[in-house]
Amino acid sequence: AQSVTQPDIHITVSEGASLELRCNYSYGATPYLFWYVQSPGQGLQLLLKYFSGDTLVQGIKGFEAEFKRSQSSFNLRKPSVHWSDAAEYFCAVSASGGYNKLIFGAGTRLAVHP
Amino acid sequence: DGGITQSPKYLFRKEGQNVTLSCEQNLNHDAMYWYRQDPGQGLRLIYYSQIVNDFQKGDIAEGYSVSREKKESFPLTVTSAQKNPTAFYLCASNQDPRHGYTFGSGTRLTVV
Repeated sequence: AQSVTQPDIHITVSEGASLELRCNYSYGATPYLFWYVQSPGQGLQLLLKYFSGDTLVQGIKGFEAEFKRSQSSFNLRKPSVHWSDAAEYFCAVSASGGYNKLIFGAGTRLAVHP
Repeated sequence: DGGITQSPKYLFRKEGQNVTLSCEQNLNHDAMYWYRQDPGQGLRLIYYSQIVNDFQKGDIAEGYSVSREKKESFPLTVTSAQKNPTAFYLCASNQDPRHGYTFGSGTRLTVV
């Protein structure tokens, strides 16, 4: 069965510092991979996605992620964090065939210190 | 602009009552989904529908019911059989699996 692990429940960084949020997945073939962001009391917004091609993908708000098949990882990065990036981040995976059910990780809550 | 509308934003229910959460989309998406979100547990799939008049149970369907009579609408009923219904409920839709889901802004249900 597919699964997604986000090892870090909470992360705190200083404004202007770099950020890396970890995501590992379990799936037999190449999945579709996604990162979403959620502000408190809101829905989820898609940051970026990977389904084929270049393994380094660029997203909105200055985020990027790299798909590493050998490590079954899809880590999210940002070179310089802004206070407005404080939110919860979810990694998700879906099968590349069949129906489109997304499996979500438990999320990482990001706090940004001024 | 196209999107997903969930209503109401906040909902209070007395124990033993059924309540229906609304989800409407104008994206012309075939597939729609209901997720439940609890702190520290991420999102768990309740029901999904890939086409009108068809839907399947997700991982935590007990105590919930849905209908899909129109492409645009996928209402979720939380029945009295749901033992712990207080949660944040998210509706989503998609058309192409490569592009992920579009989410609504959620409904927070509280049992009082």
